[in-house]
Amino acid sequence: NFMLTQPHSVSESPGKTVTISCTRSSGSIASNYVQWYQQRPGSSPTTVIYEDNQRPSGVPDRFSGSIDSSSNSASLTISGLKTEDEADFYCQSYDSSTHAVFGGGTQLTVL
Amino acid sequence: EVQLLESGGGLVQPGGSLRLSCAASGFTFSSYAMSWVRQAPGKGLEWVSAISGRGGSTYYADSVKGRFSISRDNSKNTLYLQMSSLRAEDTAVYYCAKEVSSTMTLFDYWGQGTLVTVSS
Repeated sequence: NFMLTQPHSVSESPGKTVTISCTRSSGSIASNYVQWYQQRPGSSPTTVIYEDNQRPSGVPDRFSGSIDSSSNSASLTISGLKTEDEADFYCQSYDSSTHAVFGGGTQLTVL
Repeated sequence: EVQLLESGGGLVQPGGSLRLSCAASGFTFSSYAMSWVRQAPGKGLEWVSAISGRGGSTYYADSVKGRFSISRDNSKNTLYLQMSSLRAEDTAVYYCAKEVSSTMTLFDYWGQGTLVTVSS
C-alpha cells in the first residue's frame, strides 16, 4: 500500500503561478498514472489533469501536470491565477493492491 | 452526455443499514468499472469500493470490508452499495464515479453525491 501526501493549503495572488505537490510514499510515481481533480465547495470533483500531464477539453492551458521520479512526486501547476481557481485540489493514483488512492487534498486560496 | 445520479442517502442509526443506488446514462454502462468514493464532512476523498463492468470482480477499502457490498444491474444501468453495521465514521457524502478503463482506477465522471448520516 502507498500514500499520496499533499500540502494542506497554498495561497498566491491573482496573476501569479502556484504549484501543488503530491508525493508518493512507496513505489514509483511513474508506475501508474496520476490524475488531478478540482473540487469547488458544494460540488463534485472534476478532472483538471489526467494521465500525469494531459488536460481534458475545456480545462484552460493555465493548468499543467508533471511527474518527477527523483522526488517521487507529481505536481499541478496553475499559472496566471484567477480568483475562480479557488478550490480544493486532489491528486489520485492507483495500483493493483490498493486500488484507488487519493491525496489528502490542498486548499488553494487566491488572494 | 454522461450522467450519474445517486439516491438512497439519509439518516440512519449506528448499527443500521442503508442501500445507495446510482443510475447511469449516456454511456455503455456494462463496459465500465464503477466505484463509490466518499467524503466525510470537511474532509478529503476516500475510495470505498469498486466493481468490474460485468460485476464479476469487486474490491473494498479495508475500512468497509465485511460491512459494505457493491453490486450492479447492467440491465437497469444501476450501481448499488449495500451498507450495514454502519458507524458514525461512515457519515459522508457518497459519490458514484465512472472509471476511465478496466486497467486504470481513475475517474472521469462523478455523480452529485448523496449524504449518509449515521447518528442516534
